Amino acid sequence: AQSVTQLGSHVSVSEGALVLLRCNYSSSVPPYLFWYVQYPNQGLQLLLKYTSAATLVKGINGFEAEFKKSETSFHLTKPSAHMSDAAEYFCAVHGASNAGGTSYGKLTFGQGTILTVHP
Amino acid sequence: EPEVTQTPSHQVTQMGQEVILRCVPISNHLYFYWYRQILGQKVEFLVSFYNNEISEKSEIFDDQFSVERPDGSNFTLKIRSTKLEDSAMYFCASSEAVRLATDTQYFGPGTRLTVL
Repeated sequence: AQSVTQLGSHVSVSEGALVLLRCNYSSSVPPYLFWYVQYPNQGLQLLLKYTSAATLVKGINGFEAEFKKSETSFHLTKPSAHMSDAAEYFCAVHGASNAGGTSYGKLTFGQGTILTVHP
Repeated sequence: EPEVTQTPSHQVTQMGQEVILRCVPISNHLYFYWYRQILGQKVEFLVSFYNNEISEKSEIFDDQFSVERPDGSNFTLKIRSTKLEDSAMYFCASSEAVRLATDTQYFGPGTRLTVL
């Protein structure tokens, strides 16, 4: 079965600093990976997704993530944090539960990372 | 921009009561989902639904839960007899069903269910 682990439930950065949110996955089949963001009182919004086309994926709001199979990682980065980036970020994986299995869209989420941006 | 909507935003109920959570998916989407997030825990998959049938469900989705698309726009989650442990934020999502594994799922803002 697939799983994701997000290292650090809280990350705090200064405005203008690098944002790095960590996600490691476990999957017995090639994974499809997603980063979602949740602003207060809103639903989850897709930031970016890895669908095996390119290992470096660019998303909205200046975020990007790199798929590294050797490290089973899909870390989210942004070169310069803005105050508006303060939110909760979720990494998720989709894939069949085993080779040849079928999954009808089920996403498995990490526990989330709350990003705080200080002035 | 089209969005998924959910009502109510907050539902308070007594243990043992039935609740129905409502969702309006994006109009041209064909796959629908329910997820939930217990406070302080991960977002968990409950069920996926396509062509008026459940496609996949988790072990959480037992006989107390049911889903329905009663008309062309609404998608509902019913909990027949609520338990304290059903207290959570419930998210509805929808996707186009072009290629399930990589389709973007669009999420609603959630319904916070509190069972007393």
